[in-house]
Amino acid sequence: DAGVIQSPRHEVTEMGQEVTLRCKPISGHDYLFWYRQTMMRGLELLIYFNNNVPIDDSGMPEDRFSAKMPNASFSTLKIQPSEPRDSAVYFCASSLSTGFEKLFFGSGTQLSVL
Amino acid sequence: DAKTTQPNSMESNEEEPVHLPCNHSTISGTDYIHWYRQLPSQGPEYVIHGLTSNVNNRMASLAIAEDRKSSTLILHRATLRDAAVYYCILSGNNNDMRFGAGTRLTVKP
Repeated sequence: DAGVIQSPRHEVTEMGQEVTLRCKPISGHDYLFWYRQTMMRGLELLIYFNNNVPIDDSGMPEDRFSAKMPNASFSTLKIQPSEPRDSAVYFCASSLSTGFEKLFFGSGTQLSVL
Repeated sequence: DAKTTQPNSMESNEEEPVHLPCNHSTISGTDYIHWYRQLPSQGPEYVIHGLTSNVNNRMASLAIAEDRKSSTLILHRATLRDAAVYYCILSGNNNDMRFGAGTRLTVKP
């Protein structure tokens, strides 16, 4: 398996623009997690899905952020409109289950909002 | 949610063992203890996990206190490639995996 695949690897956009980050989890994994990492706040859990259903979105910072998982092999994290403080590395991770199974992380998307 | 406490940073000499501590005094009976590490410019990677008994794998060993209120990740022979941020995480009934600040390990040649 190719692992968790995220795209794009880098995104540079201007304030106010819509940004869409994409994630393909490992085939067969039924949990998917979105994280955001900054120097100030560290690695934050934004939202996670089980069998394509959002379970906990309490980490989503504002209504400007939304995440979807239309099927088992694809998820998106959208920011609309984007702001400079959204600049961070966004990671997607998947696992077979959680509590006792390991997470597999993608390489991340480096987002810069100017 | 049960939380973990780790030292901000630690140093080790190459080829020596490293013991990374983690306190989790509010751990519940169903919480698993996980360790991940993050190398520079990479996503976190799984290291090891356990529930009650000590665990060994090819990367490290996990020693869990009898009362489960603390644990120690043991790297038996540190290499320069082990320099990373190490995270200790508890996963509980709500099935989320929330990372703390972790311990930044520096390995000196």
